[in-house]
Amino acid sequence: GESVGLHLPTLSVQEGDNSIINCAYSNSASDYFIWYKQESGKGPQFIIDIRSNMDKRQGQRVTVLLNKTVKHLSLQIAATQPGDSAVYFCADYNSGYALNFGKGTSLLVTP
Amino acid sequence: ETGVTQTPRHLVMGMTNKKSLKCEQHLGHNAMYWYKQSAKKPLELMFVYNFKEQTENNSVPSRFSPECPNSSHLFLHLHTLQPEDSALYLCASSQQGNYGYTFGSGTRLTVV
Repeated sequence: GESVGLHLPTLSVQEGDNSIINCAYSNSASDYFIWYKQESGKGPQFIIDIRSNMDKRQGQRVTVLLNKTVKHLSLQIAATQPGDSAVYFCADYNSGYALNFGKGTSLLVTP
Repeated sequence: ETGVTQTPRHLVMGMTNKKSLKCEQHLGHNAMYWYKQSAKKPLELMFVYNFKEQTENNSVPSRFSPECPNSSHLFLHLHTLQPEDSALYLCASSQQGNYGYTFGSGTRLTVV
């Protein structure tokens, strides 16, 4: 069936480096994508979103890139901080249904 | 209170018990959702309510019974659960047409 998934289950980066978390999706009809961050003991928290008519969107220290040709989504975090340590989920949406989530990548920021 | 509030935060129940999870949103949203989060698995959509009407039941066993008395409150009634139902149950809300869901902190359920 259709799925949204992340390439790596864990990612370890040094404080101050840039982080890149990747996501592949299979539903070519998906028209909206979103990244969530989930810290331990908390629910997922919205980070940034992008619609299918865009290739790139920037937020504060985060950038989402969308490549519809290869159905790939990435989240870039600039100058990664210890507070960025969490599990990151991508999700997609196609009209008529709720958000469809991937498994998640655990980001560990080391000093 | 602001955001989405879920109670209780933790729940341990036997397989013959009946319990309920509660979710309340203070955001004025008109859609609410139940998701199940198990270890090493993606978030699984369980139920969707739009304007208090259930619009999605994602093949969830009947031992899970949702209730949405108004657009601010959502319940998940549990009975005769199995150990494999142990998971984090997350509630979310959104404004119809806006896909940015706001999640609660979840209820950690353990079935013994």
